[in-house]
Amino acid sequence: DGGITQSPKYLFRKEGQNVTLSCEQNLNHDAMYWYRQDPGQGLRLIYYSQIVNDFQKGDIAEGYSVSREKKESFPLTVTSAQKNPTAFYLCASSIDSARTDTQYFGPGTRLTVL
Amino acid sequence: AQSVTQLDSHVSVSEGTPVLLRCNYSSSYSPSLFWYVQHPNKGLQLLLKYTSAATLVKGINGFEAEFKKSETSFHLTKPSAHMSDAAEYFCVVTSGTGGFKTIFGAGTRLFVKA
Repeated sequence: DGGITQSPKYLFRKEGQNVTLSCEQNLNHDAMYWYRQDPGQGLRLIYYSQIVNDFQKGDIAEGYSVSREKKESFPLTVTSAQKNPTAFYLCASSIDSARTDTQYFGPGTRLTVL
Repeated sequence: AQSVTQLDSHVSVSEGTPVLLRCNYSSSYSPSLFWYVQHPNKGLQLLLKYTSAATLVKGINGFEAEFKKSETSFHLTKPSAHMSDAAEYFCVVTSGTGGFKTIFGAGTRLFVKA
């Protein structure tokens, strides 16, 4: 089956630790995205990548980092600099970044800081 | 600039009655408009999208939406609600040159009463 996988489903982190969230897609899509979702709010864009070895900051990139070394993989690192990291994180991909493209979403990772 | 406003944070209907979820948008360019559905602790799934073809768009699970440029609206409707429709719904606008200019509404939670 084609799709997007995210792991882990639940992640707990102690304050001061960096953690990395995995996102893998086998849809052969060029563009990939990371969003953060907080209760009662829409999704906010953290980072996006239009092509391998290139990525751009979104609206709330501070305290996060990404890499795009392979087309199918777009991991997100939540660093200790992120002041309020507890949230639901969603990864998405699209064929490219044209405005008409549908974004396909993974099942999400819920991160909780203890 | 672009924006999207979902006019109701919560909507409650009885099973078998019509559903109306309201969305207004603002865009400087010809927009693409999407409705996504999210069940608890899951990723988002595309219901339907408008990309400058027919203004009445039919989606999955009996949902449809009508693009009204004069009213800058893209309301989501369904003739008869089912219990499985209970979820959160997001209206999304994309314009300009890339998917990274995607704006998500804050969401409308739909409750369906038996």
